[in-house]
Amino acid sequence: AQSVTQPDIHITVSEGASLELRCNYSYGATPYLFWYVQSPGQGLQLLLKYFSGDTLVQGIKGFEAEFKRSQSSFNLRKPSVHWSDAAEYFCAVGPGGYNKLIFGAGTRLAVHP
Amino acid sequence: NAGVMQNPRHLVRRRGQEARLRCSPMKGHSHVYWYRQLPEEGLKFMVYLQKENIIDESGMPKERFSAEFPKEGPSILRIQQVVRGDSAAYFCASSPSGGLGNEQFFGPGTRLTVL
Repeated sequence: AQSVTQPDIHITVSEGASLELRCNYSYGATPYLFWYVQSPGQGLQLLLKYFSGDTLVQGIKGFEAEFKRSQSSFNLRKPSVHWSDAAEYFCAVGPGGYNKLIFGAGTRLAVHP
Repeated sequence: NAGVMQNPRHLVRRRGQEARLRCSPMKGHSHVYWYRQLPEEGLKFMVYLQKENIIDESGMPKERFSAEFPKEGPSILRIQQVVRGDSAAYFCASSPSGGLGNEQFFGPGTRLTVL
């Protein structure tokens, strides 16, 4: 069965520091991969997605993610974190066909000034 | 351009009552998805609907839960005889068509509390 693992439940970084959020998936073929961000009390906003092609994907708000087939990973990165990036981040897999997304449990990011 | 709208944003019900959650997709979107987010968990797929059709309800509990997306009006997620375990955030998403090439746009969610 398809699954998504986000090993880090909480991460705290200092403003201006770099960030990497981990995501591992389990799926037989190359899945469609997504990162979403959820601010408190809000819905989810798509940061970036990977379908095929270049394994380094650029998204909004300065985020990028790299697909590594050999590691079944799709880690999210940002070179310099801003206080406004504090939120919960979800990695998701689309197993194919229509839009039925499978989400990881999320990583809650706190940013220290 | 209005995004996906959900109402109410917060809903409190006592055990045994019914909960009705509404979702108005973005203009021009005919595909709706419902997800449930339990505390400290990620979102779990519940059901995928097109206008007047349920396409995939594999994530819906077998009893008490139902969903519809009529030709006119919002999509409705209905929970009968709610129990405490139904307390969660329920998110609706919409897309212009099916297929993973189309981004899902999420609403702000309805937070259901069952007393």
